[in-house]
Amino acid sequence: TQLLEQSPQFLSIQEGENLTVYCNSSSVFSSLQWYRQEPGEGPVLLVTVVTGGEVKKLKRLTFQFGDARKDSSLHITAAQPGDTGLYLCAVFNAGGTSYGKLTFGQGTILTVHP
Amino acid sequence: ETGVTQTPRHLVMGMTNKKSLKCEQHLGHNAMYWYKQSAKKPLELMFVYNFKEQTENNSVPSRFSPECPNSSHLFLHLHTLQPEDSALYLCASSQEPRSNTEAFFGQGTRLTVV
Repeated sequence: TQLLEQSPQFLSIQEGENLTVYCNSSSVFSSLQWYRQEPGEGPVLLVTVVTGGEVKKLKRLTFQFGDARKDSSLHITAAQPGDTGLYLCAVFNAGGTSYGKLTFGQGTILTVHP
Repeated sequence: ETGVTQTPRHLVMGMTNKKSLKCEQHLGHNAMYWYKQSAKKPLELMFVYNFKEQTENNSVPSRFSPECPNSSHLFLHLHTLQPEDSALYLCASSQEPRSNTEAFFGQGTRLTVV
């Protein structure tokens, strides 16, 4: 069982469509991060959410942290081909067991067709 | 030069070879990490170093041997690897290994074991 479950695993849409990807867990976290990884590159941080119910916007991307701080969602409005990539959620010190352990979900591979 | 740099970008090695992966960061960070990214698995944390001291070894086989001579450099020494070790190996750094800290990743080394 993964600590962070992301869904869907794959998403293929047309340019201009909206989409939402999810990151769920049964554990409570003090914060949660979203990264995007493009082919041939390492992941790049998009946002960190720290407060239950928090909503953060980054241009056409809207991130929400669940009220109970167990889950998060990423919504993209009017997707563009440049949004194509692997979207990863991650948490630090998962379960309070280790110092400095950044744990990732398995990711959602998004493909936006022109 | 800025950011996190990994060399080589691609590596093909036989199961009896010995090779090393190199990671260098010019961000003034104190923590450095090795991750393994396979096709069908989430990013797996391998090792964490904080101020040159190893603080996490995520049950990694001894055929992978990390070395951190200073806070800017991290190596991963490889010997007698198996084909299933073929993957993208990513290095990352952060100011410190705790919550809310952004991790900066290199572009990775694509390793193929034949």
